[in-house]
Amino acid sequence: DAGVTQSPTHLIKTRGQQVTLRCSPKSGHDTVSWYQQALGQGPQFIFQYYEEEERQRGNFPDRFSGHQFPNYSSELNVNALLLGDSALYLCASSPGQTYGYTFGSGTRLTVV
Amino acid sequence: AQSVTQPDIHITVSEGASLELRCNYSYGATPYLFWYVQSPGQGLQLLLKYFSGDTLVQGIKGFEAEFKRSQSSFNLRKPSVHWSDAAEYFCAVGNNAGNMLTFGGGTRLMVKP
Repeated sequence: DAGVTQSPTHLIKTRGQQVTLRCSPKSGHDTVSWYQQALGQGPQFIFQYYEEEERQRGNFPDRFSGHQFPNYSSELNVNALLLGDSALYLCASSPGQTYGYTFGSGTRLTVV
Repeated sequence: AQSVTQPDIHITVSEGASLELRCNYSYGATPYLFWYVQSPGQGLQLLLKYFSGDTLVQGIKGFEAEFKRSQSSFNLRKPSVHWSDAAEYFCAVGNNAGNMLTFGGGTRLMVKP
């Protein structure tokens, strides 16, 4: 049984560019949450998607947007990249809006 | 607003010694509390959680945590540390809607042979 799959695992982008990160949830999970983890810090909540809608959003600018597809997979989009967006981006899936989270291994984004 | 403080950034213990990692939280209602572990380059693995009931919670890998409402604390303990326990440990508090975790800054555990 596959857990949470994130792609790509590593990514290097130039300041000002746009990036899309992808997440496939664990089988049986229909809710996807995204977290940003800067180096040496704890993860910070970006947003959660359930039933293809953004249900909760953390303190992140509108440059961060997302989408959830009918198969429950999700994308995180970041526009106009800043150096400060360099981080590990973690996706977590859960059955409904519960805390039965399973985390993926993350996508390491480096902005140069 | 909810918040979590982990006062110890780094802790070093000898293998076989006991361990306690501190966590203090701020939340207006009854908190949902969690401890996660993260190995280098990996995602987060849940060690244990507290929602209600018995304030002493048992988790995986021999870890336990105690919820103390009067002290707003949820400290993680292990009686005997193994070298494989070296990792980063995160305490987190969840809102009542079940849709947002707030993490502390983490404690990096190093284990001496």
